[in-house]
Amino acid sequence: LAKTTQPISMDSYEGQEVNITCSHNNIATNDYITWYQQFPSQGPRFIIQGYKTKVTNEVASLFIPADRKSSTLSLPRVSLSDTAVYYCLVGERTGGFKTIFGAGTRLFVKA
Amino acid sequence: EAQVTQNPRYLITVTGKKLTVTCSQNMNHEYMSWYRQDPGLGLRQIYYSMNVEVTDKGDVPEGYKVSRKEKRNFPLILESPSPNQTSLYFCASSPFSSGANVLTFGAGSRLTVL
Repeated sequence: LAKTTQPISMDSYEGQEVNITCSHNNIATNDYITWYQQFPSQGPRFIIQGYKTKVTNEVASLFIPADRKSSTLSLPRVSLSDTAVYYCLVGERTGGFKTIFGAGTRLFVKA
Repeated sequence: EAQVTQNPRYLITVTGKKLTVTCSQNMNHEYMSWYRQDPGLGLRQIYYSMNVEVTDKGDVPEGYKVSRKEKRNFPLILESPSPNQTSLYFCASSPFSSGANVLTFGAGSRLTVL
């Protein structure tokens, strides 16, 4: 299982784009990168998953460089409701059933 | 509605009194897992199950038991709870095809052991 490193916290203002980077130097060939969002006292919620290059959905984009040793979650035009903890996970899409969540990045969006 | 349901949501109990936290999913997922979350420690995996009758330890299994007799249910059993098991517990599931990393979580069960 690849260990991940994220910033502990980040601050932003409403309307700004937020980029949260995750470092995963030991990522394996079969590993995917998955991001979750968690609000206080709620279960984490899946945001986006990718393997390489760029993935975009209705809420976020995920940028993965060619060496795949890091990834960046991009949240466009954040609002107060995006204040949450964001977790980066790395593991196989099939198999690899032990799941390790790191400490996550606490994003605080200010008005 | 596709969901993972945990019960109870809140529980206060005393040391040594056996308790079970139930988890049920209606998505026909093969994989299910339990996590505990403590301040400053993030989510830590307790046990997971790849399918019926197949379970394995996560990172913090001590003091817990699980069983997977049916695909939809994955109860967490605390045979003799202690105060250090006071925590917020989450159950999660995912389909086999997506492995362990596209999880649907329950709403959580906050347990206090006095």
